Amino acid sequence: GESVGLHLPTLSVQEGDNSIINCAYSNSASDYFIWYKQESGKGPQFIIDIRSNMDKRQGQRVTVLLNKTVKHLSLQIAATQPGDSAVYFCAENWNNFNKFYFGSGTKLNVKP
Amino acid sequence: GAVVSQHPSRVICKSGTSVKIECRSLDFQATTMFWYRQFPKQSLMLMATSNEGSKATYEQGVEKDKFLINHASLTLSTLTVTSAHPEDSSFYICSASRSSSYEQYFGPGTRLTVT
Repeated sequence: GESVGLHLPTLSVQEGDNSIINCAYSNSASDYFIWYKQESGKGPQFIIDIRSNMDKRQGQRVTVLLNKTVKHLSLQIAATQPGDSAVYFCAENWNNFNKFYFGSGTKLNVKP
Repeated sequence: GAVVSQHPSRVICKSGTSVKIECRSLDFQATTMFWYRQFPKQSLMLMATSNEGSKATYEQGVEKDKFLINHASLTLSTLTVTSAHPEDSSFYICSASRSSSYEQYFGPGTRLTVT
């Protein structure tokens, strides 16, 4: 499959600060994206999604931004909490009914 | 709702043996199930897509004869790792989706260790 997000950075933030996690995707035909959170030893959990006809979508404490021009996604977490510590993945879908390819992920460490 | 379970959660097997992993959708009918493999500190790699009652579709580079997938009912898919080798040691995760839905519900994963 296509590769999404070719890095695995680690982001350390202080509790209460805002976090921004980035993802670069490679397939310009991708039209649907999901951010997942994965805690150690567990399966991914859905956080928020966005379709390519939007450039921003907000949820509870989270916002996803999509820049199709540079094929970039970001996940913003407001007032980061220790429970937000996990690995975050973006996943993309293109014309392929519910089949997703995952990026390499970012580990978020929240310091108390 | 939309709970997916996997069994076993951990398994250790000897090299050369086969091991079966089950993925069940507990409270919904899953027309499509997906199997992923995840090595430590790496991303999820899609292995195959299985639709109930039909043959699985494997991603490029995934050996279909080594990773046998059966999706015999709308609530159960199994992945059998045949003739396992230490390099097959990994975290295997399944997900399930309802018909006409993009949303995937993930299982908790199965940690396979081949000695």
